Amino acid sequence: QKEVEQNSGPLSVPEGAIASLNCTYSDRVSQSFFWYRQYSGKSPELIMSIYSNGDKEDGRFTAQLNKASQYVSLLIRDSQPSDSATYLCAAPTGGGNKLTFGTGTQLKVEL
Amino acid sequence: KAGVTQTPRYLIKTRGQQVTLSCSPISGHRSVSWYQQTPGQGLQFLFEYFSETQRNKGNFPGRFSGRQFSNSRSEMNVSTLELGDSALYLCASSSGVGYEQYFGPGTRLTVT
Repeated sequence: QKEVEQNSGPLSVPEGAIASLNCTYSDRVSQSFFWYRQYSGKSPELIMSIYSNGDKEDGRFTAQLNKASQYVSLLIRDSQPSDSATYLCAAPTGGGNKLTFGTGTQLKVEL
Repeated sequence: KAGVTQTPRYLIKTRGQQVTLSCSPISGHRSVSWYQQTPGQGLQFLFEYFSETQRNKGNFPGRFSGRQFSNSRSEMNVSTLELGDSALYLCASSSGVGYEQYFGPGTRLTVT
């Protein structure tokens, strides 16, 4: 089992809809989780971090963490074409600041 | 604050050569991590340095090495380059363990 798993997509949503991205992880010790957005040819950009169970909202983004189910998700409300990118879920594993990344979910927001 | 900077941005090398990549973290950040990104393997952790000490290492051969200087700037070196080393090399900095990591723009290495 991979340590961090995501559906690769592509996930297509119409403009203005809610995009829901999911991630599961295997290391129960992980205490923090991060969502990065990566545009083609660019480096990953941190968009959300979440450390405790429940929801965390930042603008159009909401991260949800359920440690009992080892599940973290990212909701993007009012999706825009500029949100079209690959979204990477990451969790610290193995100590220090080592992050293990999922393979990423490609999101396409269609006009 | 200025972000993470990496130099050079692009590099073309020949098999068998060696290469050194540089990373300057966000001011005040003492942790620097290096990652390799390829289409086939995704983002993979190489190593992390904190206060000039390697704190963690990923599953890469010994040809991959790094170091950190007293001003937190870091370099990574790849010796005896192979075609499979062609990748985007990313550096990320953080203010502490478990805190957010911010990536630089990356160095695109092509080995021919």
